[in-house]
Amino acid sequence: GAGVSQTPSNKVTEKGKYVELRCDPISGHTALYWYRQSLGQGPEFLIYFQGTGAADDSGLPNDRFFAVRPEGSVSTLKIQRTERGDSAVYLCASSLGLAGAPNEQFFGPGTRLTVL
Amino acid sequence: QQPVQSPQAVILREGEDAVINCSSSKALYSVHWYRQKHGEAPVFLMILLKGGEQKGHEKISASFNEKKQQSSLYLTASQLSYSGTYFCGTPRGQLTFGSGTQLTVLP
Repeated sequence: GAGVSQTPSNKVTEKGKYVELRCDPISGHTALYWYRQSLGQGPEFLIYFQGTGAADDSGLPNDRFFAVRPEGSVSTLKIQRTERGDSAVYLCASSLGLAGAPNEQFFGPGTRLTVL
Repeated sequence: QQPVQSPQAVILREGEDAVINCSSSKALYSVHWYRQKHGEAPVFLMILLKGGEQKGHEKISASFNEKKQQSSLYLTASQLSYSGTYFCGTPRGQLTFGSGTQLTVLP
C-alpha cells in the first residue's frame, strides 16, 4: 500500500467493552507510533515501537491500554473496559526509524472511537 | 512538556502573510511542522534541524532558533489550500505536539 492504513475508520462501542484498533504501516518502516487526538487538540503520544518492541510506552494513560506489534509490521492497539473518556480519534504513524536521523512521520487516516 | 504555539487561530485573506510561532521550555534539537485539514490526518510539511536554518514547502518556510528554543512558520501570499490546523512537534523518539494554530484563508 502507498500509505498508512487504519481499520476500522469508525468504531462505536458501549462503556465497559473491549476494542481493538489496527494499523498497517508503510512497508519498510520500522518505527510505528500511536497517538490519540481529541477535538481541538494536537495528537497526544501513546506508544512507540521500533521493530517488534515497544521503545516507549510512557504515553499509555493506564493499564487498560495495550499495544502489540508481533511481527514488526502491523500493530494493534487494545483497549479494555472502555470508558466514555476514551472517545477520540486514534492516529497511527510510521517512519523509517533511522537512528540518529530526523524521521518524518506519515500518519494514517485514524480510527474515530466513540464510547457510549 | 508540550510546546506552546501562538496564535491559537488566525484568519486572513488570500494573498496575505501569516506567522505561526512554536516555543518550548526544553532544549530543542529539531522541530517538525505538520498541517491537518478538518477530518484528515496530519500531513508532514518540514523538519528543521539546525539553529537559524530555514526550510521551504510551496510558499511556506520556517526558521529554527535553538538558543531561543523556538521555531516560526512563515506563510507567504497565502492560498485557500493553506487553510487547516498547523502543529509543531518536538521529537524525542515520538513527537510531542503543540495544541495547534487554526488558519483560515478567505477568498
